[in-house]
Amino acid sequence: DAGVIQSPRHEVTEMGQEVTLRCKPISGHNSLFWYRQTMMRGLELLIYFNNNVPIDDSGMPEDRFSAKMPNASFSTLKIQPSEPRDSAVYFCASTLLGEGNSPLHFGNGTRLTVT
Amino acid sequence: GQSLEQPSEVTAVEGAIVQINCTYQTSGFYGLSWYQQHDGGAPTFLSYNALDGLEETGRFSSFLSRSDSYGYLLLQELQMKDSASYFCAALYNQGGKLIFGQGTELSVKP
Repeated sequence: DAGVIQSPRHEVTEMGQEVTLRCKPISGHNSLFWYRQTMMRGLELLIYFNNNVPIDDSGMPEDRFSAKMPNASFSTLKIQPSEPRDSAVYFCASTLLGEGNSPLHFGNGTRLTVT
Repeated sequence: GQSLEQPSEVTAVEGAIVQINCTYQTSGFYGLSWYQQHDGGAPTFLSYNALDGLEETGRFSSFLSRSDSYGYLLLQELQMKDSASYFCAALYNQGGKLIFGQGTELSVKP
């Protein structure tokens, strides 16, 4: 299994530009999570989906952020317009929800720098 | 809210034992996980406790006390490669909402 695949690995953009981050979860997993990591705020849960349906987006910082999961094998996180304070590492993770423990499998992250 | 508290950093020597504590908010709590992260790479799963008591996996063990809203990760026979950040993460419903602590940076010295 290739694991969770995120693209791009690095993104550098100017303030005001649109940024789209992509994630391919592990095949067969039914839940997908987007996290943001910074030194100041740690690993923050932004949004998660179960069976492609958004369950909790209370962590999305503001309307500039949006996430979609059009099918079981693909999700996007979009920031429009981007701001310097959005600079962070964005992780996608997936799991198969069931009885008991469902460990998250993380991708390698997208390091976003907004100048 | 749903927040977790853990120490920001811990230092220990090779071969020693170290315990990383974590306290969490109880409302909606379902279980406690631990993750390891090396140098900003992908966090990787270590252990999970839903019931009180100790879970052992090789050199690593994790403990949970639901009555105290407290858990810890115990690392034995420390090795240099154990230097990393360790996160406790609370599952706040069976539907999967996993909230992470700020992380504890462990430095293992020779």
